[in-house]
Amino acid sequence: AQKVTQAQTEISVVEKEDVTLDCVYETRDTTYYLFWYKQPPSGELVFLIRRNSFDEQNEISGRYSWNFQKSTSSFNFTITASQVVDSAVYFCALSGGIGGSNYKLTFGKGTLLTVNP
Amino acid sequence: EAGVVQSPRYKIIEKKQPVAFWCNPISGHNTLYWYLQNLGQGPELLIRYENEEAVDDSQLPKDRFSAERLKGVDSTLKIQPAELGDSAVYLCASSQGLALVETQYFGPGTRLLVL
Repeated sequence: AQKVTQAQTEISVVEKEDVTLDCVYETRDTTYYLFWYKQPPSGELVFLIRRNSFDEQNEISGRYSWNFQKSTSSFNFTITASQVVDSAVYFCALSGGIGGSNYKLTFGKGTLLTVNP
Repeated sequence: EAGVVQSPRYKIIEKKQPVAFWCNPISGHNTLYWYLQNLGQGPELLIRYENEEAVDDSQLPKDRFSAERLKGVDSTLKIQPAELGDSAVYLCASSQGLALVETQYFGPGTRLLVL
């Protein structure tokens, strides 16, 4: 069975601080995909990034960066110089890849990030 | 490009009443999903369609829930009769191809409150 754990239920920071959201996953698949989604108060899940299990390179997109480490089964997300508009619930998710046992997206419980002015 | 469209955005009904949710996926997306999101939780899959075929409905409570995607485009999710515990957000998502590797794009959801 697949599992995603986001141990941080809520994080509160002051604007311009850096913040890291943790994600730890469990899977028996050798090929799998990891995702981060943002859910602002409007409710829509906004896709942020997808990584496959063979690509451990860290990725940076503007103020967002992701650190994928297979050795620790973690896929952490860092927001640099946070802004009020970053306030949302962030979900980490996992799906099996080709030949995997579970195509479904398995979500963590989410981390509520509040960025205060 | 238009995203996934869902309606209504909000619905309040009394228990034992029927309710229906509608979803229009991103144009060209063959795979459509319905998810249930309870407060403080991540979404959980209810049903997945590939074109008009329901390829996984194992998590759909079939005694009261039903879904259809007649022409392989729009989809409707129905609950009859609704129970208090059905209060949640119902999310629709779509992806371009096979579910295994394609990114799923989500709609804004329908927030259901059953009184």
